Amino acid sequence: AQTVTQSQPEMSVQEAETVTLSCTYDTSESDYYLFWYKQPPSRQMILVIRQEAYKQQNATENRFSVNFQKAAKSFSLKISDSQLGDAAMYFCAYRSATGNMLTFGGGTRLMVKP
Amino acid sequence: GAGVSQTPSNKVTEKGKYVELRCDPISGHTALYWYRQSLGQGPEFLIYFQGTGAADDSGLPNDRFFAVRPEGSVSTLKIQRTERGDSAVYLCASSSDRGLTEAFFGQGTRLTVV
Repeated sequence: AQTVTQSQPEMSVQEAETVTLSCTYDTSESDYYLFWYKQPPSRQMILVIRQEAYKQQNATENRFSVNFQKAAKSFSLKISDSQLGDAAMYFCAYRSATGNMLTFGGGTRLMVKP
Repeated sequence: GAGVSQTPSNKVTEKGKYVELRCDPISGHTALYWYRQSLGQGPEFLIYFQGTGAADDSGLPNDRFFAVRPEGSVSTLKIQRTERGDSAVYLCASSSDRGLTEAFFGQGTRLTVV
């Protein structure tokens, strides 16, 4: 079974600074997808960024980028120019290319200081 | 609809009672998922529907939990003889196919069993 681990329960960043959230996963599969989701107090999970394992190029979405290290099974999220609205829980998630369910990590609470 | 809608937003029930949680997915989405998120944890997969059929119910914790999607649209998660350990946020998500595209989440139902 796949597992996803987020080792940072909480992170704090100053507004306009850069922060990196860590995620590691365990799988025996070679083809899969990795995701970062944001969950604000409204509880709705919002997709931030997605990475296909077969792509070597790291995904980027505006201020959000990932560092995908397939051999190390590491998938970190970098948030540049942090904004107050970035404050939320962030979840790393894994999905097999042949499966349908998401396996989530335990989450990291990001606080943004003005 | 414009997004995934879940009702009720909050539900308080007494131990031993029966509850139903409703999910109205995005119109046209054939895939529907239920997840359970306990306090301070990431969501855990419960069940996946493709159309009207439960394609994967391996995440249902026991036979007190059951879900239906009779017309391939709205889904209902049913919990019999509720226990205090069932208290959690129940999240629903839908996607336009097996999941190769983005899954959109609702805002969840917070179930409290007293």
